[in-house]
Amino acid sequence: AQSVTQLGSHVSVSEGALVLLRCNYSSSVPPYLFWYVQYPNQGLQLLLKYTSAATLVKGINGFEAEFKKSETSFHLTKPSAHMSDAAEYFCAVSLRASGNQFYFGTGTSLTVIP
Amino acid sequence: ETGVTQSPTHLIKTRGQQVTLRCSSQSGHNTVSWYQQALGQGPQFIFQYYREEENGRGNFPPRFSGLQFPNYSSELNVNALELDDSALYLCASSPPGADSYNEQFFGPGTRLTVL
Repeated sequence: AQSVTQLGSHVSVSEGALVLLRCNYSSSVPPYLFWYVQYPNQGLQLLLKYTSAATLVKGINGFEAEFKKSETSFHLTKPSAHMSDAAEYFCAVSLRASGNQFYFGTGTSLTVIP
Repeated sequence: ETGVTQSPTHLIKTRGQQVTLRCSSQSGHNTVSWYQQALGQGPQFIFQYYREEENGRGNFPPRFSGLQFPNYSSELNVNALELDDSALYLCASSPPGADSYNEQFFGPGTRLTVL
């Protein structure tokens, strides 16, 4: 079975501070991992994805994530938060050889304080 | 390049009714997946269609059904609506190959309210 756990349903940071959103996965086979962002009343937009190449993945808008197999984690970071980063963030896992079926975490709502 | 589009944007139904939601995939994409996103939750996989055939299904009852057409657009049908079916329904398309590493491109969703 596979699952995704996002620790912290709400995270608040000050503008300019480090953003850290946590994601842990449970999978019996090597996964592919994704981070999506959702702004109010919109669909999901891909931030970045891990597909077994480099473990440190850089995405759009200054975000990056590091795949750590030993910790089964794929945490999302950004060095300096911007007001426009306020949104809902979802971590998702897709399993090799299972087709393109995604399993999402419950999401983390990021608030940026001016 | 046109992205994934969904219609309608909002819909209100009553318990027991039936509903059809529509999705046009991104140009060149032949795989469509449907997700249900309840308020405050992450998207839950409903099913996926690849070349007009169902290619995987999540933990949803048979009253959730779908279709994919030769132009790769898709419909989600829900019969005998229940209050818990109120949610944002997201459609996502993927490019040929339908490999697990393929990004899914999401539409803006249809907000369904069941009264």
